[in-house]
Amino acid sequence: GAVVSQHPSWVICKSGTSVKIECRSLDFQATTMFWYRQFPKQSLMLMATSNEGSKATYEQGVEKDKFLINHASLTLSTLTVTSAHPEDSSFYICSARDLSGYEQYFGPGTRLTVT
Amino acid sequence: GQNIDQPTEMTATEGAIVQINCTYQTSGFNGLFWYQQHAGEAPTFLSYNVLDGLEEKGRFSSFLSRSKGYSYLLLKELQMKDSASYLCAVMDSNYQLIWGAGTKLIIKP
Repeated sequence: GAVVSQHPSWVICKSGTSVKIECRSLDFQATTMFWYRQFPKQSLMLMATSNEGSKATYEQGVEKDKFLINHASLTLSTLTVTSAHPEDSSFYICSARDLSGYEQYFGPGTRLTVT
Repeated sequence: GQNIDQPTEMTATEGAIVQINCTYQTSGFNGLFWYQQHAGEAPTFLSYNVLDGLEEKGRFSSFLSRSKGYSYLLLKELQMKDSASYLCAVMDSNYQLIWGAGTKLIIKP
C-alpha cells in the first residue's frame, strides 16, 4: 500500500525559532499534499493544500507567511513553522493523494512542542 | 455552509456491535470516507463509499444514502483495540475532504 513518511516524529524548539517538517510519499507520486493540524481532543484542521510546482492554497485564518509550504517534487512537501510560539504546539499531519485516486494517505504525524 | 455531524462519544461492550452515524451537507459529493484514529496517531483509512448501499470489509461495514446525506459505520465483534476516534469525511465538488469532528468510541470489557 501507499506509504507516507514524516520527519521528524516529534520536535521541541524554543520560542522564536523555526522548524521544518518533511512529508514524503515513499512509493507513489503525490500530485497533491495536504497539511493538517490537530489540537488535543479536537478534529483535524486543514491548514493548506499544495500541488507540486505551484503555490499552496491556505485555509482561512492560516498565516501563509508563518507556515511556509514548499512542494518542490512529486514525492516531497515541507512545512516550515517560522518564529514558532507556544500556541503553535500541536500535532501536524500531512497526507498525500496520488495521480489516480481519491484516497488521502496520511503520514504518521509530527508532534511539535514550543517552549 | 458545509457541515458534517457525528456523535461526540459512544460507549460499547467488547464483543458487541456498534453503529456510528454521520450526516452531511456539502457543496457537491465525490464520496464519503471513514477513518480510524488512535490517540496520538495519524488517521488510517477504513472505507470509501460513493454509491448508495453497504460496503462490507471484515468486521467493519459502511453504509451510504446520498439522498438522505447519511452514512454509518458498523463495527461488529468489538475488540478492545477498536477503542479510537472514528472520523467521517466527505469529498466535496473540489475534491477537498470536509472532516467531521470525530466520534470517540470507548470499549468496555
